[in-house]
Amino acid sequence: QVQLVQSGAEVMKPGASVKVSCKASGFSFTDNYMHWIRQAPGQGLEWMGIINPKDSVTTYAQKFQGRIAMTWDTSTSTVYIELSSLRYEDAAVYFCAREPGHNTLNFDFWGQGTPVTVSS
Amino acid sequence: EIVLTQSPGILALSPGERATLSCRAGQSVSSRSLAWYQQRPGQAPRLLIYGASSRAAGIPDRFSGSGSGSDFTLTISRLEPEDFAVYYCQLHGGSYYTFGQGTKLEIK
Repeated sequence: QVQLVQSGAEVMKPGASVKVSCKASGFSFTDNYMHWIRQAPGQGLEWMGIINPKDSVTTYAQKFQGRIAMTWDTSTSTVYIELSSLRYEDAAVYFCAREPGHNTLNFDFWGQGTPVTVSS
Repeated sequence: EIVLTQSPGILALSPGERATLSCRAGQSVSSRSLAWYQQRPGQAPRLLIYGASSRAAGIPDRFSGSGSGSDFTLTISRLEPEDFAVYYCQLHGGSYYTFGQGTKLEIK
């Protein structure tokens, strides 16, 4: 069955970088888009970006441009998000999510979420 | 960027009642690009409806989606205890994806 298993909680200092992983199983990794979405405490969902493991194309939300990178490792079917220059307002739960196929425009499976705390 | 506005912010109903949740886009959008999610406390969101009106796999038929243009609706025909949660609509806007701010469905 489809599973997205994320790495564990992180506690980071302001200005540092954090890298979160999402290991996929139960489906063809390169036949789907993968997304990262975050949720600050008590807040709504915020889309961060998309990666297509098949052709290396990434698109990031404008507010994160310059300090976000999404990568993948096809050999382990794992996608990563790295967010640099962390601010207190980056504290959130970070989710990976699958867009089934290409251009289906929704997220049908989600990881369990990775809490990121930013504290000095 | 197109803004999605959900209403009401909080909806208080009793089990067995009918729930109607609204999602309004700032301009007309393709129905294909509109989806709905349910999020229970401490859990990841779950896809309910895609393409404005198609139920995702395993979603009970008491959930239905409708609408076109800029106005979309999620209807839960008869509320079960497990349906009390937060609901989000989501849009693909070309080069970005965006979510509404959510409607909290709580027990009256």
